[in-house]
Amino acid sequence: GAVVSQHPSWVICKSGTSVKIECRSLDFQATTMFWYRQFPKQSLMLMATSNEGSKATYEQGVEKDKFLINHASLTLSTLTVTSAHPEDSSFYICSARDPGTGQGPQHFGDGTRLSIL
Amino acid sequence: AQSVTQLDSQVPVFEEAPVELRCNYSSSVSVYLFWYVQYPNQGLQLLLKYLSGSTLVKGINGFEAEFNKSQTSFHLRKPSVHISDTAEYFCAVTQGGNQGGKLIFGQGTELSVKP
Repeated sequence: GAVVSQHPSWVICKSGTSVKIECRSLDFQATTMFWYRQFPKQSLMLMATSNEGSKATYEQGVEKDKFLINHASLTLSTLTVTSAHPEDSSFYICSARDPGTGQGPQHFGDGTRLSIL
Repeated sequence: AQSVTQLDSQVPVFEEAPVELRCNYSSSVSVYLFWYVQYPNQGLQLLLKYLSGSTLVKGINGFEAEFNKSQTSFHLRKPSVHISDTAEYFCAVTQGGNQGGKLIFGQGTELSVKP
């Protein structure tokens, strides 16, 4: 089945560091990918929709300059948390849609646990 | 705007007992509905989906759900749970009737299966 790979799975870094998270669709081309944030014991909150070859669409309240999204190819989207601070610590999850399955459902990566000290 | 409500934040149940996880949605347009499962420190895995047709949908791991349009519900059921079913379960609906469009998630239900 469709697989979405997310890397790294876990990262710890100092405050002020920028962190890049990669999301790859391994066996299909994804024109659209989604980035979510999940706090402990809470649901997933959509941060932005990543569109290949164009600017990402951010949800209300999400800082575009803080969370940089690049979708440079049909199999890779990256989320960069710039100048990260402890309040950015969270679980970040990406998902991708496989258009080859006739507008099939989203497939999710395994998430990235980000801890800012 | 669409929204999803999962009525129970936690459901404890004994092994081999039946379970129902409740989900209600609100929408002014036709919707596609999903149940996802999340194991600790992992992403989400699709359990089942309702697109159209039969209102009773069967998914993986012995789960099934029934779409009830009049009650705007999509409850998840399993006749006999296992310890390995312990996880967080999310109900979700798409916007605009597109399977791969933006997903709106419920708050999640933590299923805890005890021996």
